[in-house]
Amino acid sequence: DAGVIQSPRHEVTEMGQEVTLRCKPISGHDYLFWYRQTMMRGLELLIYFNNNVPIDDSGMPEDRFSAKMPNASFSTLKIQPSEPRDSAVYFCASSLIVNEQFFGPGTRLTVL
Amino acid sequence: QKEVEQNSGPLSVPEGAIASLNCTYSDRGSQSFFWYRQYSGKSPELIMSIYSNGDKEDGRFTAQLNKASQYVSLLIRDSQPSDSATYLCAGGPWDTGFQKLVFGTGTRLLVSP
Repeated sequence: DAGVIQSPRHEVTEMGQEVTLRCKPISGHDYLFWYRQTMMRGLELLIYFNNNVPIDDSGMPEDRFSAKMPNASFSTLKIQPSEPRDSAVYFCASSLIVNEQFFGPGTRLTVL
Repeated sequence: QKEVEQNSGPLSVPEGAIASLNCTYSDRGSQSFFWYRQYSGKSPELIMSIYSNGDKEDGRFTAQLNKASQYVSLLIRDSQPSDSATYLCAGGPWDTGFQKLVFGTGTRLLVSP
């Protein structure tokens, strides 16, 4: 059974460019989470969805960040425009049983 | 601000010893707690969950929860070099039905052969 799939695994872009990160949750899981991890701030929850509906986006740092989940098997996190301080590892996770979250491999984003 | 605090370490233990990892949390409404293991360059992996006061054992791992003291710990018996990783403690607040986890910054564990 495939785990959470994220793409791309690495992204290097220049300041001001649009970045789109993609996630495919584990089939049958009805919760999807986007996290950001940095050395300074650790693992931070950005937004989570239940049955494709955004439930809590209070962790989204600012309007430059947006997330969508058009169907049960796909979600995107978009940053427009990107800034160097957005450099981090972005994880997607999904869960079925309350709070037993399974993480994807992450996308390492570098904004120059 | 709901917080989960961990000592960043590194915690160094010799192979075969017991490693004790600790975590405190500020939100008394937290009802569920989790320990994730994260190897360098990899994603977090759930290894233990605990929901009620007391101990919960799973193989070499024992999670302990004391809600009165707002304290969670993870004991790893017979530590192996393969246990060397960062261990993240996470708590689930009551008001979001446990789904919104707050993570600590992690404790780095080094097990020497």
